[in-house]
Formats: sequence, structure tokens, C-alpha cells
Amino acid sequence: AQSVTQLGSHVSVSEGALVLLRCNYSSSVPPYLFWYVQYPNQGLQLLLKYTSAATLVKGINGFEAEFKKSETSFHLTKPSAHMRDAAEYFCAVSDQGSQGNLIFGKGTKLSVKP
Amino acid sequence: ETGVTQTPRHLVMGMTNKKSLKCEQHLGHNAMYWYKQSAKKPLELMFVYNFKEQTENNSVPSRFSPECPNSSHLFLHLHTLQPEDSALYLCASSQDGLADYNEQFFGPGTRLTVL
Repeated sequence: AQSVTQLGSHVSVSEGALVLLRCNYSSSVPPYLFWYVQYPNQGLQLLLKYTSAATLVKGINGFEAEFKKSETSFHLTKPSAHMRDAAEYFCAVSDQGSQGNLIFGKGTKLSVKP
Repeated sequence: ETGVTQTPRHLVMGMTNKKSLKCEQHLGHNAMYWYKQSAKKPLELMFVYNFKEQTENNSVPSRFSPECPNSSHLFLHLHTLQPEDSALYLCASSQDGLADYNEQFFGPGTRLTVL
């Protein structure tokens, strides 16, 4: 069965600094991977997705993620943080053993300091 | 309306009340989901419907009763809830819940408080 681990429940960066949110997955088959963002009191919004095409995936709001099979990782990055990036970020894998249901990580809350 | 909508956005209810949450998707999808999001807990999948048929019930207590009259609408009927049921309830939809590739689109959620 697939699983997702997000390292660090809380990450704090300064405005303009690099953002790196870590996600590792386990899967016995080529995975489909997603990053979602949740702003306070809102639902989840898709940031980007990996569907076995390019390993470097670009998403909205300047975020990107790189699929590394050898490291079973799908880390999310953004070169320069902005105050509006403060939110909670969830990594998810499509559970191909359970009708494709998404398996979510526990989330990483990103704080951005001025 | 576009995307996935949920009503009400906020709900306060007593433990003896009966209320319903409503979700509607305007994306032409065939699968709909209910999730529970509590503070400090991971997102919990509650129910899955594919083509109006329930395909997953994740050991949810019977005080939560889902209803899916068609592929565009999903309800969650609530009765005799407990304070620990207070949470954000999220609805989502996807094109085909039985496919390996399953990108889900989420609504804004209903913030439920049980007194």
C-alpha cells in the first residue's frame, strides 16, 4: 500500500528566502503525486501534480516539485517566499490499491516572516 | 457557480440536533468524497461515492449518514453528534473515483461546532 511522509509539521522562513517542504512516499507501482495548499478556513487547492511525464513539475504561485524515484521523494520548492505563501501544504499519493483514493500526509504549516 | 460548493460554511449545533451538510459539484465529475479535518489530526476520508454508489465507508459512526442522490450532489446528515465531532468537513469530487489517477477538487468546507 502507498503512504506519504511529510518531514516537519511546521516550517518557518523569511520573506524572500527559499521554501523547501519535504515529502517522501512509498509505492510499489509508479505513483501519481500531488501537492495541495490550504489557506486558513478554506478547502484544499491543487498546487501541482506528477503524472509520470516530466520529473520537474511546475505549479501555480511559483511553486515546483521534482520527482526523484531513487530517493522516493517529491519535495516542494519555491525560490523566494512571499507573505501570501503562509498556509498549510499537503502532499498526497494516489492509492492504486484502493480505487485511486488519495492518501494525504499530515501537512506542513509554512510561516513566512517579514 | 463553479467548482465545488458547500453549504453552510459554518454550523453550530447541539448534541440533540439534526442537521445536514450539502455539497454540489459543477465539474461533471462522477465521484464525490467527504473528509473530516480536525485540529492536529491528518485529513480523514469518511465516505466515497462513485456514480451515486457508496464505495467506501471508513468505519464512520452511524451518527453520520451520507446521501448521494445524483453525481452532482452529496449530503452528510448529522444527528446526536458529540463535541469531538467538531471539525472542518470537506467535500471533494473527481472525474472517476475508480481510476488510478484521481485528482480531487475540494470545496471550501463547513466548519462544524458541536456544543
